[in-house]
Amino acid sequence: AQSVTQLDSQVPVFEEAPVELRCNYSSSVSVYLFWYVQYPNQGLQLLLKYLSGSTLVKGINGFEAEFNKSQTSFHLRKPSVHISDTAEYFCAVSDPYSGGYQKVTFGTGTKLQVIP
Amino acid sequence: DGGITQSPKYLFRKEGQNVTLSCEQNLNHDAMYWYRQDPGQGLRLIYYSQIVNDFQKGDIAEGYSVSREKKESFPLTVTSAQKNPTAFYLCASSPGTGEVDTQYFGPGTRLTVL
Repeated sequence: AQSVTQLDSQVPVFEEAPVELRCNYSSSVSVYLFWYVQYPNQGLQLLLKYLSGSTLVKGINGFEAEFNKSQTSFHLRKPSVHISDTAEYFCAVSDPYSGGYQKVTFGTGTKLQVIP
Repeated sequence: DGGITQSPKYLFRKEGQNVTLSCEQNLNHDAMYWYRQDPGQGLRLIYYSQIVNDFQKGDIAEGYSVSREKKESFPLTVTSAQKNPTAFYLCASSPGTGEVDTQYFGPGTRLTVL
């Protein structure tokens, strides 16, 4: 069974400072990994995804994430945050599509609060 | 513009009433999903459908029902059997083909039971 752990429920950070949101996963097979962002009272928007290849993945809004297989991690980073980055961020893991349903497991979310 | 629409955005229900949440997509996706979101619990899968006229229970299907009569529509009914229905409900869709099946989400419906 696959699972996702987001270690921090809330992360406060000052504007223009760097941020890292942590995500660890467990799975018995190779996985695909995703980060989504959710603004208040809205749906989830895909930030980036890791499928294969380069372990450093770049996404929208200046975010990037690094896949580390040995540490089973997929941490999200941004070198300089803006007020508009205040939102909740979800890490998700998915088993490769095998012709059946591709189950996606979501973490419990990390609320990023950018302080002016 | 292609996307997923959910209506209504806010919904209030009295205890004992059934209520139906709408989800429509014009992305030509085969697969559709319903999730429930509660504070601090992330997203939990209620039902999913990989093709028209077929759907499967997710992790928390009790008290919910769905239909998939058209490719673009996947309505969710919250029945009176659902003991704690107040939550934020998210609909998603994915192409349903190929090796990687990224899910795309609608804006959500917030249901409150009075």
